[in-house]
Amino acid sequence: GAVVSQHPSRVICKSGTSVKIECRSLDFQATTMFWYRQFPKQSLMLMATSNEGSKATYEQGVEKDKFLINHASLTLSTLTVTSAHPEDSSFYICSAQTDGNYGYTFGSGTRLTVV
Amino acid sequence: AQSVTQLGSHVSVSEGALVLLRCNYSSSVPPYLFWYVQYPNQGLQLLLKYTSAATLVKGINGFEAEFKKSETSFHLTKPSAHMSDAAEYFCAVSDGAGNQFYFGTGTSLTVIP
Repeated sequence: GAVVSQHPSRVICKSGTSVKIECRSLDFQATTMFWYRQFPKQSLMLMATSNEGSKATYEQGVEKDKFLINHASLTLSTLTVTSAHPEDSSFYICSAQTDGNYGYTFGSGTRLTVV
Repeated sequence: AQSVTQLGSHVSVSEGALVLLRCNYSSSVPPYLFWYVQYPNQGLQLLLKYTSAATLVKGINGFEAEFKKSETSFHLTKPSAHMSDAAEYFCAVSDGAGNQFYFGTGTSLTVIP
């Protein structure tokens, strides 16, 4: 079946640095990918919709200059957390639509810890 | 606008007992409804989805859910709980147009041996 690969699975970084998270569709093309953020014991909140070849669409309250999204190819979307702060520590998950019948596949997530 | 409400953030059942996880939705258009399971530190795995076909949807691992428009519900059930079912379960709704999901707050299922 369709697989969405997310890398890295865990990352620890220092405050002020930037971290890039990759989301790849391994055996299909994804014109649209989605980025979610999940705080401990909470639900997933959509951060942005990543569109191949165009600018991402951010949800209200999400800082686009802090969470940079690039979707340069049909198989890769990246989320870069810039100038990370401890409050950015969270679980980030990407997803992509895998079939026309509203099939969506999620990546395995990235646990970001900012120290 | 779409939203879902999951009643009960924590549910405990005995092994072999019925599992019932509740989900109510709000949607101004015919909804597409989903149940996902999440194991610790992992992504989400689709259990089942309703996309306006049969109202009783069967998913993986013995789970099923019934779409009840009159009750705006999409409760998840499994006749007999297994220890491996212990996880976090999320109900989600989509309008099918914007391809966006709106997730419920999740229900943590504990299975007692």
